[in-house]
Amino acid sequence: DAKTTQPNSMESNEEEPVHLPCNHSTISGTDYIHWYRQLPSQGPEYVIHGLTSNVNNRMASLAIAEDRKSSTLILHRATLRDAAVYYCILIYEYSGAGSYQLTFGKGTKLSVIP
Amino acid sequence: DGGITQSPKYLFRKEGQNVTLSCEQNLNHDAMYWYRQDPGQGLRLIYYSQIVNDFQKGDIAEGYSVSREKKESFPLTVTSAQKNPTAFYLCASTHYSYTGELFFGEGSRLTVL
Repeated sequence: DAKTTQPNSMESNEEEPVHLPCNHSTISGTDYIHWYRQLPSQGPEYVIHGLTSNVNNRMASLAIAEDRKSSTLILHRATLRDAAVYYCILIYEYSGAGSYQLTFGKGTKLSVIP
Repeated sequence: DGGITQSPKYLFRKEGQNVTLSCEQNLNHDAMYWYRQDPGQGLRLIYYSQIVNDFQKGDIAEGYSVSREKKESFPLTVTSAQKNPTAFYLCASTHYSYTGELFFGEGSRLTVL
């Protein structure tokens, strides 16, 4: 099974950029990289996803290494509302019969300092 | 507004009792998932369903059961066989698409007294 590795925690000052890393050295050619974030006692929220090329949306940017073995979620200006647990996950084909699973690790707890 | 609704938000149960958590979505999504989250931990997959009347075990299915009689609904029953059921339970859904965004409900917190 493809796995991801993230730092347990990170800190950032408010209004500064944040780079959240994720390693996925066993990623396969057809695995998509997704990022979600979770506030306490809430369900995770989709942030961004990509396959090979870097991606941008209104929430964040996703930078994917050329070999796809790592990626970085970039929050351009951290706000207090960005304090959450961030999960990097891979969507992979489970049984080869067209069924897909999503596996979550512990994620990175981001603290934003005012 | 479209979304996923989980109920109840909080639930208390005595040991030895079965309890059913509801998950309903009006997003017309094909696939639905149940996850369990313990304090300070990530999400672990319990069951998932790609189509009506079909579902598959995830990593920690023992002590749980599900049904998928309608596309919109995917209830989870926590049975008395589940040794440590106190946890935060999350339901999610997505289109039957390899790249689909996963939508989550607000979660149900189950406490066994």
